[in-house]
Formats: sequence, C-alpha cells, structure tokens
Amino acid sequence: NVMLTQAHSVSESPGKTVTISCTRSSGSIASNYVQWYQQRPGSSPTAVIYEDNRRPSGVPDRFSASIDSSSNSASLTISGLETEDEADYYCQSYDSNNHVVFGGGTKLTVL
Amino acid sequence: QITLKESGPTLVKPTQTLTLTCTFSGFSLSTSGVGVGWIRQPPGKALEWLALIYWDDDKRYSPSLKSRLTITKDTSKNQVVLTMTNMDPVDTATYYCAIYGSGSYYNEKYFAYWGQGMLVTASS
Repeated sequence: NVMLTQAHSVSESPGKTVTISCTRSSGSIASNYVQWYQQRPGSSPTAVIYEDNRRPSGVPDRFSASIDSSSNSASLTISGLETEDEADYYCQSYDSNNHVVFGGGTKLTVL
Repeated sequence: QITLKESGPTLVKPTQTLTLTCTFSGFSLSTSGVGVGWIRQPPGKALEWLALIYWDDDKRYSPSLKSRLTITKDTSKNQVVLTMTNMDPVDTATYYCAIYGSGSYYNEKYFAYWGQGMLVTASS
C-alpha cells in the first residue's frame, strides 16, 4: 500500500517562506499527480495545488509546488507567509490502482 | 455555483449500518468526466478517502474499507449515497463529500469543491 508521509508540524514567521514535504513510500512520485489541500481550523479542505504544480483559480501565486524524483517526494512552498496561511496541509495522490491516498497532514503555524 | 451538503444520522450504534446522502447543486453527475467522492476525518486526525463514483457509474473504494462500503448515485435527484456497514467507535469522524473534477470537461482531477462535512458518532 502506498503511503504519503508528511512532517507533523512546521512553523515559520510572517513574510518568510516555508516548504512542506510529502514522501511517497513506494512507486514513483512522478507516476501519479499530487494535489495539496489546505484545511483551516473548523473548515472543509480546499485545494491549493492540483496536478503537481497547478493552482486552482483564486489561489495566490504565493503557493507553488514541485516533485523531486530523487527523493521521491512532493513539496508545497508558501512564500510571503501570512497569518491566514496557518492551517493543516494535506498532500494527495494515487496508488497503482488509481485509489486516492492522502498524506497524514502537516500543521503550519505562522508566528 | 456548486454546492454539496452531507446529511444522515449524527449518532449510530456499533454494528449498525450508516447511510449518508450527499445532495449537490450546480453540476450534473451525468456530465462526462465528473465524479463525487467521500472522505472522512476522525477528530484531530488526517483525511481518509473512502469512495468515489463517476458519471458513468464506475465506482472505486478504499481497499481497507471496501468490504463495508457501497456508493450509489441518483442523477435525477442530484444525490450520492454512501453506506457503511458494521459501524464501530473508530468510525467516528466528520464525513465529507466532494466533487472530483474541475474545468470545462472535469478533466482536472482533484477534489475541487467540498461539502461542509457532518460529524457522525458511533457509540452505544
């Protein structure tokens, strides 16, 4: 079974840049698209990245993403951090049978 | 404007079957490419994908829960129903439905719109 592993938490100061990683346990990270979802406290998740590095309409370009085959991981980068970026972030991809898989989530604290 | 809303019982007893309904508007589940999925989140824990149904009635299930899940659609009512058998306290979670697909032909594959979620507690 494919697992997507994320750090439990990360913190950074307003205005800075933070990167959140998502490592795929088996199979190539490049073999299936990776999505990223933001979930603010008490709210439903919303997508901030889809298909590895594309932003849905309305998501600011402070959000970017990439995949790295050498580390078999995907990364979400948020630049110019704002307090409203404080949230849980989940990566999502697929296994070899196209079943949806979510990562364990990373709690971003902006302080 | 696309909206989705989950409905069903907020409390179920262990061993009972849970039936959740996702009622949506702003799109049709008969449109090529679109899907509706169910995702749950235990309190304080991560998202877990449960099931997905496509416009052509193709169905996909989480391998770990497949034996307990059934997903169906009623296109005329704009509804998707998820049933989960043999509920257990560990199934206590907020259950979300979400539209899978975006763009002109729903070819951008991700959970683009989510319902507000509903907390279901499994307890005697």
